[in-house]
Amino acid sequence: GDSVTQMEGPVTLSEEAFLTINCTYTATGYPSLFWYVQYPGEGLQLLLKATKADDKGSNKGFEATYRKETTSFHLEKGSVQVSDSAVYFCALTSNFGNEKLTFGTGTRLTIIP
Amino acid sequence: NAGVTQTPKFRVLKTGQSMTLLCAQDMNHEYMYWYRQDPGMGLRLIHYSVGEGTTAKGEVPDGYNVSRLKKQNFLLGLESAAPSQTSVYFCASRTSGANVLTFGAGSRLTVL
Repeated sequence: GDSVTQMEGPVTLSEEAFLTINCTYTATGYPSLFWYVQYPGEGLQLLLKATKADDKGSNKGFEATYRKETTSFHLEKGSVQVSDSAVYFCALTSNFGNEKLTFGTGTRLTIIP
Repeated sequence: NAGVTQTPKFRVLKTGQSMTLLCAQDMNHEYMYWYRQDPGMGLRLIHYSVGEGTTAKGEVPDGYNVSRLKKQNFLLGLESAAPSQTSVYFCASRTSGANVLTFGAGSRLTVL
């Protein structure tokens, strides 16, 4: 079945550091890929998405590129801020029976001033 | 502009008690979902619904029941709560034409 493997956390970085959170996936066909973010005490919200190979999703300075050859969708940001502290989830939905979204285990990111 | 609203936000139960979590959405979404979030395990799908009057099992359905009698509401029931059901529960919804979920703020359940 479909699965998402995420970089284990927690991750602690200094403000303005470069961020990478790794995500790889296993899925049938051509899935759509997502990054969701969960700020403290809140539900998840969509950060960015990509629906086909080589697409780049971007939002709030974050980027991720859909790499079919390596089945990856790594999240990057060039200069993190304290306000980026949150839990980040990689997820996919297969284009076969796409009622369900499969999530990774989440990566907790803490940015220190 | 409420989006997805979950009730209650917090609840403490004793083993064997029953309760119902309510999810309400005002976006006319067809699809609704219940997930549980546990440390180190991410979000796991409990049950979902693709429309009013329909429900389906997710990956961890045991011990839970659901109902979707109205399009805007999706109820999650625990008939006999167990400590293993201590978790944070999230409801989400989406339209049939999009694959982006809108989440509620979560319901924290503790079973003693």
